[in-house]
Amino acid sequence: AQSVAQPEDQVNVAEGNPLTVKCTYSVSGNPYLFWYVQYPNRGLQFLLKYITGDNLVKGSYGFEAEFNKSQTSFHLKKPSALVSDSALYFCAVRDGVRDYKLSFGAGTTVTVRA
Amino acid sequence: EAGVTQFPSHSVIEKGQTVTLRCDPISGHDNLYWYRRVMGKEIKFLLHFVKESKQDESGMPNNRFLAERTGGTYSTLKVQPAELEDSGVYFCASSLGQGAYYEQYFGPGTRLTVT
Repeated sequence: AQSVAQPEDQVNVAEGNPLTVKCTYSVSGNPYLFWYVQYPNRGLQFLLKYITGDNLVKGSYGFEAEFNKSQTSFHLKKPSALVSDSALYFCAVRDGVRDYKLSFGAGTTVTVRA
Repeated sequence: EAGVTQFPSHSVIEKGQTVTLRCDPISGHDNLYWYRRVMGKEIKFLLHFVKESKQDESGMPNNRFLAERTGGTYSTLKVQPAELEDSGVYFCASSLGQGAYYEQYFGPGTRLTVT
């Protein structure tokens, strides 16, 4: 079975400071990892994914994530947060067996204060 | 190109009533998925269509839920009769293929409240 854990329900940072949203995963096969963001009254938007290759993945809106196999983590990062980054962030995983089925974490609410 | 659309955006019904949610995928996407987020918890997979066929409905909670995809285009998810625990946000997604390289595009969701 595949699963994802997002240990923080909320993350609060000041604008201009680094932002990190944590995610750890568990899969039986090779992990395919994703980050999605949900802005208020909007659907889930794809941010970035790791399938294979370079452990540092760059995505939309200046976000990046680092795949760490030994720690089974895929933390989302942004060097300098903006107020407009305030949203709900979901980490998700698909394994190599049923690779159409996304398993999501519970989500982390990010609030960036001006 | 239009994205995935869902209707209605919100629905409030009483326990025991019936509700039908609709999803229109991106044109040309054979793969359609339903997911649900209940009570602020994780988003959970409900089922997967390839064209008009159900490929995997392992996530459907019980037989009060019925999903269809007529002609392989839009899909409906009917809840009959609705119970309080069915409240949540129902997301639809579509993709061109089903491998890991194919991104799933999500709709805005339908917020269902059962009172």
